[in-house]
Order: sequence, then structure tokens, then C-alpha cells
Amino acid sequence: NAGVMQNPRHLVRRRGQEARLRCSPMKGHSHVYWYRQLPEEGLKFMVYLQKENIIDESGMPKERFSAEFPKEGPSILRIQQVVRGDSAAYFCASSPPARDGYTFGSGTRLTVV
Amino acid sequence: KNEVEQSPQNLTAQEGEFITINCSYSVGISALHWLQQHPGGGIVSLFMLSSGKKKHGRLIATINIQEKHSSLHITASHPRDSAVYICAVIYSGGGADGLTFGKGTHLIIQP
Repeated sequence: NAGVMQNPRHLVRRRGQEARLRCSPMKGHSHVYWYRQLPEEGLKFMVYLQKENIIDESGMPKERFSAEFPKEGPSILRIQQVVRGDSAAYFCASSPPARDGYTFGSGTRLTVV
Repeated sequence: KNEVEQSPQNLTAQEGEFITINCSYSVGISALHWLQQHPGGGIVSLFMLSSGKKKHGRLIATINIQEKHSSLHITASHPRDSAVYICAVIYSGGGADGLTFGKGTHLIIQP
């Protein structure tokens, strides 16, 4: 029973490129959350999704960032036209419908050069 | 403002010592999590609490809902316990559906 799978583990992008981060939740988990950890800062909530629905995106930057969780396949966090300030660790977590447990992925470390 | 405060921010102790990390929050919550993160590593969920006390191996987590306070204890600490320990809450009554995190406690256990 694999845990939450995130890929890639490390991603390097040049300024202006697009970054796509993927997250496959645990089997049986229908809720996905994305969090960002900036260097030397704490974790911050970005977005909460269920299949084909964005439930809460109050933590997402208003521009360049988007997230989806399609009916089939992983959840995707997409960052367009990346800037140096986007360099961070992005963590995905999933929970079952009852939201009575959280499992985190290993994270994607994005570096913008 | 909904905040999660942790103390201490940094803690260095000798192997075998009893460790306590504290967490306080400002408004009502539906659940509190204790998480562990090793340098450059992923995040492991240690406990999820809504009341009382939980124990897993050498780790014990307690929560006092009335006082809005939780503690994480490590008995017989070991160098492999060195990590950042993060308290996180889900606020009840609306607002963001995700976790709100404390800044973490950096724990170093020296042999």
C-alpha cells in the first residue's frame, strides 16, 4: 500500500518556464492538499481538492498558480512563468473522506535559476 | 488572527533525556497534528488528536482543549530523534480547510 507519491523529487526550472508537480494520493484517499515550505519559513496551506473539485484555494497566489485533481490520474500543481521566489519545497498530503488522518508525500524541491 | 505558537524554537539535549515540546493555539480547533521532518526530508505524521492523550512507542502527545494547548513528549531520547517537530491545527468553524502550522521546534539529541 504505497503512500503519497510525489514526483519529481527535485525540479530545476529557469525563470519564465512552467513547473508541473504531481501528487498521487494514498489508495482510498479522496482528499488532496498542497502546502509550500519556503526556505527558512514554515509550511503554508495552498489548496484543498477533491476529485474534479477545488474545495478551498484560499492559500494559492492569485496569479500563475493553479491546481487540479482530475477524475483519473494524479493531482497537478502548476506554476506558470516561474520566478526565483517560487523556489521552495512543495508538499502534498492526502486524507480519507472522513479526514481523520493525514499522510504526506516526500515533497518536490523546486529550484528556479 | 489564528496562530499556532510552539516552544521552544530550538532544543538541544543529551541522549536519554525526557523531551517536551509545547504548542498553543488561539481559537477552537477540530484536530491537532504533530509532525516530524528530518533535514531535507519528507514530513511524517506522528499523531492526530482531538482530545486526551495518545502514545506510540517512546512518543506521547497530549491535548487540553480548554487551555488550547498540546504537548509532545519523547522518553529516553535518542540521536535519531533529532528532527524538526511541527504542530499543526485544523480550525473549526470555517476558514481554510488545510492545516495551519507552527514554526517548528528544532530538536538535536547529542550522543
